[in-house]
Amino acid sequence: EVQLVESGGGLVQPGRSLRLSCAASGFTFDDYAMHWVRQAPGKGLEWVSGISWNSGSIGYADSVKGRFTISRDNAKNSLYLQMNSLRAEDTALYYCGKDLGSSWSLPIDYWGQGTLVTVSS
Amino acid sequence: EIVLTQSPGTLSLSPGERATLSCRASQSVSSSNLAWYQQKPGQPPRLLIYGASSRATGIPDRFSGSGSGTDFTLTISRLEPEDFAVYSCQQYGSSGWTFGQGTKVEIK
Repeated sequence: EVQLVESGGGLVQPGRSLRLSCAASGFTFDDYAMHWVRQAPGKGLEWVSGISWNSGSIGYADSVKGRFTISRDNAKNSLYLQMNSLRAEDTALYYCGKDLGSSWSLPIDYWGQGTLVTVSS
Repeated sequence: EIVLTQSPGTLSLSPGERATLSCRASQSVSSSNLAWYQQKPGQPPRLLIYGASSRATGIPDRFSGSGSGTDFTLTISRLEPEDFAVYSCQQYGSSGWTFGQGTKVEIK
């Protein structure tokens, strides 16, 4: 059974940093691209970032480019999101998602339950 | 960036009725790289349709997708009680993915 478990969320002040993690199990992690998608309270979904199976291809939403960094450790079956210079508008539930394919060119077929990030002073 | 606009915002229907949801893109979506997700309160999204018309694993055949270019449709042939939820479209072919704002299907 595919499982994705996010962690690392919490309350953080504007301008500070936070690192999210996603532990994956139940599938061959290094065969698939992975993503972070967020959802602000009561709002729609927003794709944040995607990374190919071997980290050779990475993409970011314009809203986080230059501030967030996605990475993965295939030996540890883990996905990460380093978030710097956080803003109030980054407040959201952050989901980790598994791509249908290897190169973040297909949609997400499995999602975690999310970790909540709140940016506030 | 491709902007996806979904309509209507809310659809009020009864169980057994047919639901037709629209997703319009601001520019052509390449290779029909359009997906539909269902989301219920407190749950992550669930992939229903990808490639505009291919059902994801385990999705009942009452769900169908169609369209190409800039106009796409999700149809639920006969609404079951568990189908009342928010539905979002997504394009995943261009540089950077985008989602529509969602259509809520509620019980009339």
